[in-house]
Formats: sequence, structure tokens, C-alpha cells
Amino acid sequence: KQEVTQIPAALSVPEGENLVLNCSFTDSAIYNLQWFRQDPGKGLTSLLLIQSSQREQTSGRLNASLDKSSGRSTLYIAASQPGDSATYLCAVSSGGSNYKLTFGKGTLLTVNP
Amino acid sequence: GAGVSQSPRYKVTKRGQDVALRCDPISGHVSLYWYRQALGQGPEFLTYFNYEAQQDKSGLPNDRFSAERPEGSISTLTIQRTEQRDSAMYRCASSSYGGWETQYFGPGTRLLVL
Repeated sequence: KQEVTQIPAALSVPEGENLVLNCSFTDSAIYNLQWFRQDPGKGLTSLLLIQSSQREQTSGRLNASLDKSSGRSTLYIAASQPGDSATYLCAVSSGGSNYKLTFGKGTLLTVNP
Repeated sequence: GAGVSQSPRYKVTKRGQDVALRCDPISGHVSLYWYRQALGQGPEFLTYFNYEAQQDKSGLPNDRFSAERPEGSISTLTIQRTEQRDSAMYRCASSSYGGWETQYFGPGTRLLVL
């Protein structure tokens, strides 16, 4: 059974700092990996989707890397802003089902002005 | 609409009552998913549709839970004889076709069973 772990569970940083969120998964036979952002009272917003054949994806100040063989992904946020404060969730599809996402518990990020 | 919509946003019900949760996916999206999220946890998969066909219902906890998507668009998740342990956020997502594409999530329905 696929298990996804996110470290740290919570992170507080001053504005402007670069930061890294970590995600690990137990079964390396994944189809893809997605990073989401969750804001209170709102849905999950997809940030980046990395297919299993890819090593990284970039969108603006966000960069996600994938090392499938070691079962790890990182989300790098450059020049953090208070508006980046949210819970960040990592999810993988695997186990013969490319549609069934297995999520981690998330990292709660607080960026202080 | 521009995104996935769900209704109601909040539902409070008494134990033993039936509830129906609605999901309206992004127009043209073939694939639709239901997830359940407990406080402090990530969402857990419940079921998956392509068009009107329920392709996978392996995540439904028991036979009190059912879902349908009769015309390949709007979907309803029904919970019969609700129990307190059913209290959670129920999230719907859609994608253009299948799991290779990004899943777009709705705002969720917060269900509270008293």
C-alpha cells in the first residue's frame, strides 16, 4: 500500500526566505506526482504535476523535483510571501491506477511579514 | 462554470438520515473523482467515473455509500443512514480525461452528523 509522508508538518519562515518542502512515498512505481495548495474554506489548488518520466516542473517561484527511484519529491518556493501561507499537499498516483491519488498529510506553511 | 462546484457547502444532519452531496465538474471534463478528507489528513479516494461509468468504487467505506453520474456530468454522492463517523469534508475533482491529467478540486462539502 502506497504511503506518502510530508516533512515538516509545519513551517514558519520570514518573508523573502527561500524554502523547501519534502515529500516521500513508499512505492516508487508511480504514474505521476502532484503538489497542491489548500487554503481554509477553499478547495485544493493544483500547483504542479510531474509525470513519472520527468525530473522537475517549474511555475513562477515554484519548482518541484522528482526522484522516483528514491521515492522523494521536493517543492522549492523562492522568495516567499505572506500570500504563500497555506497547507501544501503532495499526492501520487500508483498501484495500477493512474487516477487514484494518495495524499500526504500536508505541510502547514506560515510566511511572516 | 469556470471550476468545479459542490453543493451544499455545509450540511448538518442527524444520525440515521440520508444525505446527498452534489458535484458539478468543469464543463467538458470526462473524469470525475470523489475524495473524503478528515481534519488534519490528506484526502482519501472514494470513487472514480469516466463519463457515466463508475470505473472504481474501491474507496467507498461500506454499502451505505453510493455515487452516480447518470448523464456523464453532474455527480451525486449519497450516504444512507448517516453515522457520526461519516463527518468529514467531501471533495469532488474532475480532469479532462483520466489520471494522466491534473485533477481540479471543488471547494468541498463539510458534513457534520450529530
